[in-house]
Amino acid sequence: DAGITQSPRHKVTETGTPVTLRCHQTENHRYMYWYRQDPGHGLRLIHYSYGVKDTDKGEVSDGYSVSRSKTEDFLLTLESATSSQTSVYFCAIGTDLYEQYFGPGTRLTVT
Amino acid sequence: DAKTTQPPSMDCAEGRAANLPCNHSTISGNEYVYWYRQIHSQGPQYIIHGLKNNETNEMASLIITEDRKSSTLILPHATLRDTAVYYCIVRVAGGGGADGLTFGKGTHLIIQP
Repeated sequence: DAGITQSPRHKVTETGTPVTLRCHQTENHRYMYWYRQDPGHGLRLIHYSYGVKDTDKGEVSDGYSVSRSKTEDFLLTLESATSSQTSVYFCAIGTDLYEQYFGPGTRLTVT
Repeated sequence: DAKTTQPPSMDCAEGRAANLPCNHSTISGNEYVYWYRQIHSQGPQYIIHGLKNNETNEMASLIITEDRKSSTLILPHATLRDTAVYYCIVRVAGGGGADGLTFGKGTHLIIQP
């Protein structure tokens, strides 16, 4: 398995609180991604990064921000969590040829 | 990106070959065919990709028709652990690869004992 970890794996938080999810890789891949997965919607891209300090928005970026200060870490922040952000969040790392390797996921519940 | 069409579900007997079809009739010449799968509650897993030649790796074989309008993923000896949702994705490869993958609904493959 690709060296990619996510933390925390599970989190329950209250509406309005900030939340940060961390993705860490040991593969030195250039590209990193955050997806969310919800029933009936499949996987949807939130944000992605193509290098340190280089990030861009995906399909469902509203309410989320990201940062990448070093190659191995990609952080996803929910500034003020809402119930609609209850989801399973997957981080992925990728190569130029779209071979993406996914982490184990973080299950986030916003109450 | 070219659109793909997959059957929503398929069954296969354990030990038999599982053949998963994918139609991509609008594929462009520079677009690759990628296959991923997602086992329940886990992150998606890359399986294989190809441009126009058939490809094989330790997990599967990918057969692409000569006109490239369809492809088949073959799991040669399916096991219960191959039960998963399989996604066929068509995408341009190369430096523009930063903007992620678009996952459709895929095919839910169920391996029967």
